[in-house]
Amino acid sequence: EAQVTQNPRYLITVTGKKLTVTCSQNMNHEYMSWYRQDPGLGLRQIYYSMNVEVTDKGDVPEGYKVSRKEKRNFPLILESPSPNQTSLYFCASSSRTDIAPYEQYFGPGTRLTVT
Amino acid sequence: DAKTTQPPSMDCAEGRAANLPCNHSTISGNEYVYWYRQIHSQGPQYIIHGLKNNETNEMASLIITEDRKSSTLILPHATLRDTAVYYCIVRLSGSARQLTFGSGTQLTVLP
Repeated sequence: EAQVTQNPRYLITVTGKKLTVTCSQNMNHEYMSWYRQDPGLGLRQIYYSMNVEVTDKGDVPEGYKVSRKEKRNFPLILESPSPNQTSLYFCASSSRTDIAPYEQYFGPGTRLTVT
Repeated sequence: DAKTTQPPSMDCAEGRAANLPCNHSTISGNEYVYWYRQIHSQGPQYIIHGLKNNETNEMASLIITEDRKSSTLILPHATLRDTAVYYCIVRLSGSARQLTFGSGTQLTVLP
């Protein structure tokens, strides 16, 4: 089954404690992306990756890091989480974005609470 | 990407067709219309997309007006599981930029 998986699905942590949210896709997609969703603000892109070792900032990259060492994985790293990073996070993937149109597949979401 | 306007909410009776409108009056010739939906706090789900012609797949139909300034997503036989926020998105093909999800339409399917 084609899918995007995220782990963990729920996480409560404390300010400053480094954490990683994993994202994996089994569709051999080149493009992967991280979004956060907050009430009243919709989905906002954090980082995206066009392919292995190619990443770029989205609209709200501050406080986040990503890496793309393998095609299937795109982890989101919060080096020093703060309460304003409490949010619902989604990972997404799609086939090459220079070949249009394309459909993005989203993961189930990770609900993060930073106290 | 062109801006879209959708009604904030709609109701539909179970088993009836749900018609969700979207206005995109500033759309340009090479911009596609995409529809996604998000069932409460789940990841958004792709439904359908189109450029000029009407499109149909197993989930829905997309009707785009001839001038392309508006479109309608049709769920032919709505079920309770179709209750979700539906997003109409207009974007250039081949763009690496993110999908811009606006406020969408909250569709509630009533028993």
